[in-house]
Amino acid sequence: NAGVTQTPKFQVLKTGQSMTLQCAQDMNHEYMSWYRQDPGMGLRLIHYSVGAGITDQGEVPNGYNVSRSTTEDFPLRLLSAAPSQTSVYFCASSRDRATNEKLFFGSGTQLSVL
Amino acid sequence: AQTVTQSQPEMSVQEAETVTLSCTYDTSESNYYLFWYKQPPSRQMILVIRQEAYKQQNATENRFSVNFQKAAKSFSLKISDSQLGDTAMYFCAFMKLYTGNQFYFGTGTSLTVIP
Repeated sequence: NAGVTQTPKFQVLKTGQSMTLQCAQDMNHEYMSWYRQDPGMGLRLIHYSVGAGITDQGEVPNGYNVSRSTTEDFPLRLLSAAPSQTSVYFCASSRDRATNEKLFFGSGTQLSVL
Repeated sequence: AQTVTQSQPEMSVQEAETVTLSCTYDTSESNYYLFWYKQPPSRQMILVIRQEAYKQQNATENRFSVNFQKAAKSFSLKISDSQLGDTAMYFCAFMKLYTGNQFYFGTGTSLTVIP
C-alpha cells in the first residue's frame, strides 16, 4: 500500500546542474501535482496534470518542466538548477473530478542548490 | 486568484486545553472546499478536516472542529483537549470545485503543545 512515492528524499545540486524528481502513485489517480514549500510561504503549486498526456502550469512554473506519459508517474525536471529552487518539493495526487476533494501527499524531497 | 491568509505564525497551548487557529480566504467562487492539513516534524502532510462550502453545518472530526463563516470568508480550526502529538505546522487550504488538485495554501501556523 505505497500511496504516493517520491524519490529522492534529499538532493544537493550545484548551480546549473539538471535533475529529475520522481513521483509515482499506485492508486490509479487521475490528478497529480507538484508543490514547493518555502519557509513563511506555505505550499505553492508548480505544475499539475489532470490525466495522462495533459499538464498545465500552476503558480510558480518557471524553471520546471513536467510530463505525464502514464497515469502512475509524474516527474518534475529542473533543467538548470538555481539557488532560488532550494526548497522542499511535494508531489500529490487525487482521484477524479467527482471525488477530488482530498490530496494524497508524498513524503517530500529536500533539495539544496549551491 | 484565490488567496489564503493565516495571520498567526506561531501559537502555543497547554496540554488538555483548547486552541483556535485562524484562517481567512478571498475568492469570487461560490462552490469550493476548505481544508486544514497538519505537518508534523516528519514533514508528512496529513489531512485534519474538510469543509464543503455549500454545507452550512460545521465539520467535526473527533477533537477537531471548524467554524466556517462563508459570508466573512473565515475558516478557523478548533482543537479541543490538546495533546502533545498535535504539535505541528497547520496549513489552511482552499480548492475550487472540479479543478482536481489545484490547492491554494496559507503560510501556516506553528502550534506547540506544552506539557
